Amino acid sequence: DSGVTQTPKHLITATGQRVTLRCSPRSGDLSVYWYQQSLDQGLQFLIQYYNGEERAKGNILERFSAQQFPDLHSELNLSSLELGDSALYFCVSSPGVRGYTFGSGTRLTVV
Amino acid sequence: DAKTTQPNSMESNEEEPVHLPCNHSTISGTDYIHWYRQLPSQGPEYVIHGLTSNVNNRMASLAIAEDRKSSTLILHRATLRDAAVYYCILMGGGSNYKLTFGKGTLLTVNP
Repeated sequence: DSGVTQTPKHLITATGQRVTLRCSPRSGDLSVYWYQQSLDQGLQFLIQYYNGEERAKGNILERFSAQQFPDLHSELNLSSLELGDSALYFCVSSPGVRGYTFGSGTRLTVV
Repeated sequence: DAKTTQPNSMESNEEEPVHLPCNHSTISGTDYIHWYRQLPSQGPEYVIHGLTSNVNNRMASLAIAEDRKSSTLILHRATLRDAAVYYCILMGGGSNYKLTFGKGTLLTVNP
């Protein structure tokens, strides 16, 4: 158990739908990163939050959004889903500078 | 982000040492060299990191070239559980401390 909790583990939904992925970071870690892993693109950085504020953006589509709440848990919202959004989505927890712990991921399948 | 170059795949026999190379000729003075690995069906996990000096931990050793343009991850006695994709990543302040993954090296360990 890495200490990073991601729910749900698996999600199957239809095109055009909206889903929310949830992440609880390790206790005491202020920073949360979201990554997408697909077969053709590998691991892609999406977005980072630090203590509730957006810190950096990567290859995140406009249809995707995220936020980090006062209790430091984070949610990644994916809307108007397309088949190509099917992937593993990882949450990464970090105390701030170094030391990154990945969650076990949410496998999203869009049908 | 500074790039790293790794072989696509390597093979080893169980209980033999494995040397996984990484080239990073454009590394800057403040970039740390990180290694992560991803076992099948799991999220990436931290292996080791270093700046200039060689580093050892319970999982592996990291040998860094004097000019820092290359590094080698050393697994002293490979086990079947070490079969994974190994990622060499440069991280520094300019990257906002996010991990930028390449394709990594797929390590196969033969019994």
